[in-house]
Amino acid sequence: DTAVSQTPKYLVTQMGNDKSIKCEQNLGHDTMYWYKQDSKKFLKIMFSYNNKELIINETVPNRFSPKSPDKAHLNLHINSLELGDSAVYFCASSQEPGYSNQPQHFGDGTRLSIL
Amino acid sequence: AQSVAQPEDQVNVAEGNPLTVKCTYSVSGNPYLFWYVQYPNRGLQFLLKYITGDNLVKGSYGFEAEFNKSQTSFHLKKPSALVSDSALYFCAVRDVNTGFQKLVFGTGTRLLVSP
Repeated sequence: DTAVSQTPKYLVTQMGNDKSIKCEQNLGHDTMYWYKQDSKKFLKIMFSYNNKELIINETVPNRFSPKSPDKAHLNLHINSLELGDSAVYFCASSQEPGYSNQPQHFGDGTRLSIL
Repeated sequence: AQSVAQPEDQVNVAEGNPLTVKCTYSVSGNPYLFWYVQYPNRGLQFLLKYITGDNLVKGSYGFEAEFNKSQTSFHLKKPSALVSDSALYFCAVRDVNTGFQKLVFGTGTRLLVSP
């Protein structure tokens, strides 16, 4: 059983398009995250939601908009895609927010390539 | 703000030899420390964590890590490396005492175990 699943796994699209990435977790966790991993493998948090409420919003262009319809889902919509958006996007979840000592569980990533 | 340093981009070790992947951290309060491993085209997998108590923490796949408060380090170790341990390893820290805080990752260390 996949704990954190992301779709699609690969996304190739043209500059200027709008695309969405979906994430679902079946772990019963309260908190979900979006991370961006660049070509040098550097991992940086973008957003975090706890029970559908936005709790982390890093310095991310407003072309990126997360949406959490329920605590098991966190989607990422990206408008007007740019070349610099090419990266691997990871969804993660954890049992509690913030100061929790619980580990985060990661999906296998969505590899976004902008042509 | 918390930060993590992984001073080595790559660590090379022969199979059967002990391995160490270095990590140092900076937090204003007490740390929660984590190690994750990433295999190609996969998400991060949790290996082990330090919360409190015994400075030597044991985790998955025979890995362990030693918390050293005076040196602000949390090095990952394994007594006998396997070729299958070859992967990208991330150290991460969260500050316990400042309420909600994001998990901050190091830049990763690539471990290459040769047969």
